[in-house]
Amino acid sequence: EIVMTQSPATLSVSPGERATLSCRASQSVSSNLAWYQQRPGQAPRLLIYGASSRATGIPARFSGSGSGTEFTLTISSLQSEDFAVYYCQEYNNWPPWTFGQGTKVEVK
Amino acid sequence: ELQLVEFGGGLVQPGGSLRLSCAASGFTFSSYEMNWVRQAPGKGLEWVSYISSSGNTKYNADSVKGRFTISRDNAKNSLYLQMSSLRAEDTAVYYCARNVDYYDRSGYKLGSGFDYWGQGTLVTVSS
Repeated sequence: EIVMTQSPATLSVSPGERATLSCRASQSVSSNLAWYQQRPGQAPRLLIYGASSRATGIPARFSGSGSGTEFTLTISSLQSEDFAVYYCQEYNNWPPWTFGQGTKVEVK
Repeated sequence: ELQLVEFGGGLVQPGGSLRLSCAASGFTFSSYEMNWVRQAPGKGLEWVSYISSSGNTKYNADSVKGRFTISRDNAKNSLYLQMSSLRAEDTAVYYCARNVDYYDRSGYKLGSGFDYWGQGTLVTVSS
């Protein structure tokens, strides 16, 4: 089973600044990686699929990159609604669909 | 408007059973693969179960294998999770989530994801 490791666990960023989140897979998942955002008290929302493609309605300030075992989610200029927990998920060798443990983006 | 609404959660004793339902609307339910994903209090996301669009293929996480059964009724636009032999560690918010594949104009698969989620239903296993 593939293990997904996200870093850092918590990222403190000021509004308007750039945030860079990392996700590492224990073995190659090619580009079969998705990113989700979860705001407090809400269900997760799909942001990125295929490592770099934005899902419907996702603002352009969100971008994904990487392939193989190393992936990055970048939020170019943090808005107030972007402070949330972010999860990566691999779907290369399902089942299972494995999530990372999450990165919390908080206000600095 | 596309909606997924879960219900059926509640308090159950260890060893007990519970059946969760997810009512789908606003899309052709029978065309989509579906999943259950759970989240223990203060913890991350854990995939639980998958079912194909026809219902013929099912997968469970090792943590629930032999105890949980996923099913669907496409005529009723509904997804189910029958949970038995419940344990304290099954305490979580349970979400139903739609599985989608993305393709470009030439039919090349670009990726996949869980694109719509319900609001979740809380299952608490405690005596």
